[in-house]
Amino acid sequence: GENVEQHPSTLSVQEGDSAVIKCTYSDSASNYFPWYKQELGKRPQLIIDIRSNVGEKKDQRIAVTLNKTAKHFSLHITETQPEDSAVYFCAAIKGAQKLVFGQGTRLTINP
Amino acid sequence: KAGVTQTPRYLIKTRGQQVTLSCSPISGHRSVSWYQQTPGQGLQFLFEYFSETQRNKGNFPGRFSGRQFSNSRSEMNVSTLELGDSALYLCASSITGSSYNSPLHFGNGTRLTVT
Repeated sequence: GENVEQHPSTLSVQEGDSAVIKCTYSDSASNYFPWYKQELGKRPQLIIDIRSNVGEKKDQRIAVTLNKTAKHFSLHITETQPEDSAVYFCAAIKGAQKLVFGQGTRLTINP
Repeated sequence: KAGVTQTPRYLIKTRGQQVTLSCSPISGHRSVSWYQQTPGQGLQFLFEYFSETQRNKGNFPGRFSGRQFSNSRSEMNVSTLELGDSALYLCASSITGSSYNSPLHFGNGTRLTVT
C-alpha cells in the first residue's frame, strides 16, 4: 500500500521458531497501528493493535513494537504453530482519516 | 451478534457492464469502509461512509461509487467495468465513527470477475 512498506513479502519458519514482520510508515501523525491476519479464503481479522502512546503490546504469543522516531512497527510471533500460517497485513494512517495497508506478508510455518 | 454480511459472494460480469455490491455492517456499527484486494496491490482503500455521508475516498476513478442508507447498510457500484476491476471487494465496519483508528470487522467479501 502507498506509504506503508511491509517486509518481508514472504517468510518461512520452522514450527516453534519466532517470526518477525516489519512495517515502515511515512505519516508522522499516524497514531494507530493494527495488524490483520488473513487465512486462505477467509476474511482479514484483527490480531493486535497498538496506539502511539505505548511502545509495546503483547497478547500471548504475539507482540507488536512501535518506534515512532524511526516510524516503524513490527509484529513478533513466538513459538510459531501451523495455524499461524496466513497472510499478515499491517496498517497505518495516511493523511486525513485514511487507513493504508502494507502489501502483506505470507507466513508459512514448516512442521 | 451477526458479523458483517456481503452479498453476493461471487459475481461474473462482462466488460462495460455495471455492478452493485451490498454490505450489512454489524448491528450498531455506523462506519462502513470498502477495500479492493488484488494479489498485486494488496488491500486498497476505496471509501468510507458514516451516517450516510462519504467521509473519505481513495485513489480510484469516478466509476467507483457508493452510498450508505439510514440503517447503515452500504452499497458499492462500479460502472463501465474493466478487466482490471476483477478483485475481491471487502467491506468492513467499525463500532466507532471512524475506520482509521479503531478495529475493523471485515465481511467475507465479494469476488468479482470481469470477462
